[in-house]
Amino acid sequence: AQTVTQSQPEMSVQEAETVTLSCTYDTSESDYYLFWYKQPPSRQMILVIRQEAYKQQNATENRFSVNFQKAAKSFSLKISDSQLGDAAMYFCAYRSNVRDDKIIFGKGTRLHILP
Amino acid sequence: EPEVTQTPSHQVTQMGQEVILRCVPISNHLYFYWYRQILGQKVEFLVSFYNNEISEKSEIFDDQFSVERPDGSNFTLKIRSTKLEDSAMYFCASSEENQGDTSTDTQYFGPGTRLTVL
Repeated sequence: AQTVTQSQPEMSVQEAETVTLSCTYDTSESDYYLFWYKQPPSRQMILVIRQEAYKQQNATENRFSVNFQKAAKSFSLKISDSQLGDAAMYFCAYRSNVRDDKIIFGKGTRLHILP
Repeated sequence: EPEVTQTPSHQVTQMGQEVILRCVPISNHLYFYWYRQILGQKVEFLVSFYNNEISEKSEIFDDQFSVERPDGSNFTLKIRSTKLEDSAMYFCASSEENQGDTSTDTQYFGPGTRLTVL
């Protein structure tokens, strides 16, 4: 079975600085998707970024980028120029490339932004 | 931008009572999901639904749970006899039909319903 591990329960970063959240996963599949979701205090789940496993190029979305290392099964999220609004719980997630398959979430990393 | 909506935002119920959580998926989506998140824990898959039937369900989704798409827009989760441990945030998600052989759909989540069982 697939698993997603986030080893950092909490992290803090100074406003305007860069922070990297770690994620590793385990799967025997070769084709899958990886995601980072943000959950602010409102508890809504917001998709931050998505990576297709078959793509070698790392996904980027404005200040958010990933470092996808398929062989190492690592998928870290880098947030540049951190803003107060980035404070949230961040979940790393996995989904196999099967129609309507479920998403498997990690336990999350709570990110604090220090003014 | 289209979004998934859920009602109510917060539901308080007595143990043993039935509750129905409602979701309106994005209109052209065909795949529907329920997840739950107990406070302080990770998000867990409950059930997926396609073509008016359950595609997959987790061990959590026992006989107390059921899902239904009663009309063309709503997708509901019913808990027949709530237990204290059912207290959680329940998220609905939907995704559109995949294109060709590659599943490129993304699951879009609703804002959640906070269920409190007393």
